[in-house]
Amino acid sequence: GQNIDQPTEMTATEGAIVQINCTYQTSGFNGLFWYQQHAGEAPTFLSYNVLDGLEEKGRFSSFLSRSKGYSYLLLKELQMKDSASYLCAVRPSNDYKLSFGAGTTVTVRA
Amino acid sequence: DARVTQTPRDKVTEMGQEVTMRCQPILGHNTVFWYRQTMMQGLELLAYFRNRAPLDDSGMPKDRFSAEMPDATLATLKIQPSEPRDSAVYFCASGFPLPGAGANVLTFGAGSRLTVL
Repeated sequence: GQNIDQPTEMTATEGAIVQINCTYQTSGFNGLFWYQQHAGEAPTFLSYNVLDGLEEKGRFSSFLSRSKGYSYLLLKELQMKDSASYLCAVRPSNDYKLSFGAGTTVTVRA
Repeated sequence: DARVTQTPRDKVTEMGQEVTMRCQPILGHNTVFWYRQTMMQGLELLAYFRNRAPLDDSGMPKDRFSAEMPDATLATLKIQPSEPRDSAVYFCASGFPLPGAGANVLTFGAGSRLTVL
């Protein structure tokens, strides 16, 4: 089975930085994904890591340590529109499906 | 923008009725997934297909749920009979391998919100 843990909620101020942690224990590993989901909408793809290290995409960065079963999503220069749920998902090896964590709701305050 | 199209967007039905949800994946995507999302359980995988062949439906209650892909442009999820505990948002997603990585980036449809009274 898959066990993916992330905090339930985080609050931050506009312009600040927030780091969302994700730990996982899965049967095999072939990639870790981050998705963003605004209330009432579908999840949308943000980033993907398969090797250890940092992937940067504009204001968003994602880090992976496979030996520790750990990832984080870093959101910089927070904007009000970044208020959303952020979902960590893992792809087990030899499989195409994604297993999702419960999501972290980030609230950005002015 | 290429989109995954789902119908209906909203469905309210009575317990015991049959519900059919439809999904048109993005042209060229070879994997199709059905997920269910509730506040309590989050996103749960129900079933998925690769090249129209069902690969895994272990997340689906088999006595009442069925998932099919009659052709490359249509995936269906049927619930018969429906129960109040089936109330959720049902998402269809389709995927393609990232270049050089063999992984799937999923594009989700807007979802079908089902309420069973």
